[in-house]
Amino acid sequence: QVQLGQSGAEVKKPGSSVKVSCKASGVTFSTSAVSWVRQAPGQGLEWMGVITPLFGTANYARNFQGRVTMTADESTSTFYLELTRLRSQDTAIYYCARPADSDHEWGFDYWGQGSPVTVSS
Amino acid sequence: QSVLTQPPSASGTPGQRVTISCSGRNSNIGNNPVNWYQQLPGTAPKLLIYKNDHRPSGVPDRFSGSKSGTSASLAISGLQSDDEADYYCAAWDDSLTGVIFGGGTMLTVL
Repeated sequence: QVQLGQSGAEVKKPGSSVKVSCKASGVTFSTSAVSWVRQAPGQGLEWMGVITPLFGTANYARNFQGRVTMTADESTSTFYLELTRLRSQDTAIYYCARPADSDHEWGFDYWGQGSPVTVSS
Repeated sequence: QSVLTQPPSASGTPGQRVTISCSGRNSNIGNNPVNWYQQLPGTAPKLLIYKNDHRPSGVPDRFSGSKSGTSASLAISGLQSDDEADYYCAAWDDSLTGVIFGGGTMLTVL
C-alpha cells in the first residue's frame, strides 16, 4: 500500500527557509514522480512543481522558480521541498502527491497528510 | 485568480444530481486531460476523476466526469450528505508548463 508520510508543522520568520520532507513507502522510489502542492488558509490548491528521480530532474512552477528546490534521497525513500526567502503569503499546508501509475498522468492518487508552515515575525 | 474557472459554490438536496463546471483554454483543458478532486474539511484532496472520465478504484459510480472543448464537468448523482466538500478541477497547462487548479467549488447538501 502506497503511503506518503510528511514532516510536522513549522513556524518560520520572514526571510528564512523551510525544508519539508515526504517519506514514501509501498512504491518503487526511482519511478516515483512526486509533486508538491500547497494550500493557503481558506484558499485553493497550488501546484509547486515535480521531481522525478528516474530522470534526475525537477521542474518548478513559474511562481516559485528561484525560491524552491525539490530533492530526493533514494537511501531513505524521502522527498524534500525547500522554500527560501519566506514571506507571510507562504503560510500554507504543503502536500506531497503522486499518481498511482503513469496511466493516471497528472492525476494524484496518493497524498501526504500535509505539513503546515506558518511564516510570522 | 485561477486559470481554470469554477463556480465558487453549488448546492443540492439529498438524492439530487448536481454538476460542477470547469472552464479553461486550449492550452490546458483543450489539449490535456482533466482531473477532479474532492476535499473534505481538514483533509488532503482525494482524486475522484482522472483523464476526463475515469474513476480510480474505490470511487463510486455516482461520480462522473466529461469534457468538451475547453470545458469540463463533474456530475454527482444521488447526492449524499457526506458529499458536502470542496471540489477542484485540474489540468496540465502547455503555456505555463505546469499543473493548474480551478479555484474550487464548495458543494452544500441542503
